[in-house]
Amino acid sequence: QVQLVESGGGVVQPGRSLRLSCTASEFSFSDYAMHWVRQAPGKGLEWVALISYHGNTKYYADSVRGRFTLSRDNSKNTLYLQMDSLRAEDTAVYYCAKQQSRSGYYYLSYFDFWGQGTLVTVSS
Amino acid sequence: SVLTQPPSASGTPGQRVTISCSGSNSNIGSNIVNWYQQLPGTAPKVLIYSNNERPSGVPDRFSGSKSGTSASLAISGLQSEDEADYYCSTWDDSLNGWVFGGGTKLTVL
Repeated sequence: QVQLVESGGGVVQPGRSLRLSCTASEFSFSDYAMHWVRQAPGKGLEWVALISYHGNTKYYADSVRGRFTLSRDNSKNTLYLQMDSLRAEDTAVYYCAKQQSRSGYYYLSYFDFWGQGTLVTVSS
Repeated sequence: SVLTQPPSASGTPGQRVTISCSGSNSNIGSNIVNWYQQLPGTAPKVLIYSNNERPSGVPDRFSGSKSGTSASLAISGLQSEDEADYYCSTWDDSLNGWVFGGGTKLTVL
C-alpha cells in the first residue's frame, strides 16, 4: 500500500525557517508529480505547491510564492518543502499528497494518497 | 476561498443531501472537479474525481455532477459514518494552481 510519511514539523519563531520532508514508499516515486496541501487549525484545505515528477516544473500558491521552495530527491524517494520567512498564518498541518496520474496534465488529475500530516506552528 | 461551499449541511439517516460548490470560468468552468472527504482527525481522501467518477471502494451512494461554473456532491441513503467535512477542488487557470472550497461540515442528525 502506498505510504507517505511527513516529518520536520515543529514550533518555529516568525521569520525563521523550517524544512519538511515527505518519504514515499510502495510506488514508483519518480514517476509522479507530488503536492503539499496545508490546513490551518480548525480551517479548510489550502493547496500549497506542486512539483513535477522530474522536479523541473513547480507551481506555488500566491500565499507562499517567494518564501517556500519545493524540491525532490528521486533517489531517496523524498519530497522536501523549504519554508523561509515563516509567518503566523503559515501555522497549519502540512500534508504531502501524490498525484494520481503520471501525466503532466496536472489539472486533469487528483490527489489519490495523502500522508498523515505534520504540524508547523509559527509563534514567538 | 475561491470556490464557495455552504459551511454546513445536515440530514437524517436514509435521507439524500446535496452539497454545492460554486466557482468561475477560470476554475470550475474550465476544469474537472474533485471531491474529498475528511473524517475527524484524519487526512482527506478522494471521494469523487473528474466531476462524477468514483474511486474503487467508494460506495455508489456518493455521486458528483458539474454544470457550467458549479458542481455538486450528492449523498443518498445517509449514514452516521458520513459525518465529515467535504471539500470540492479544481484547477484554476488564472492562479495556475489547485483551489479548494471552504469545506462543508455534514452532520447526520
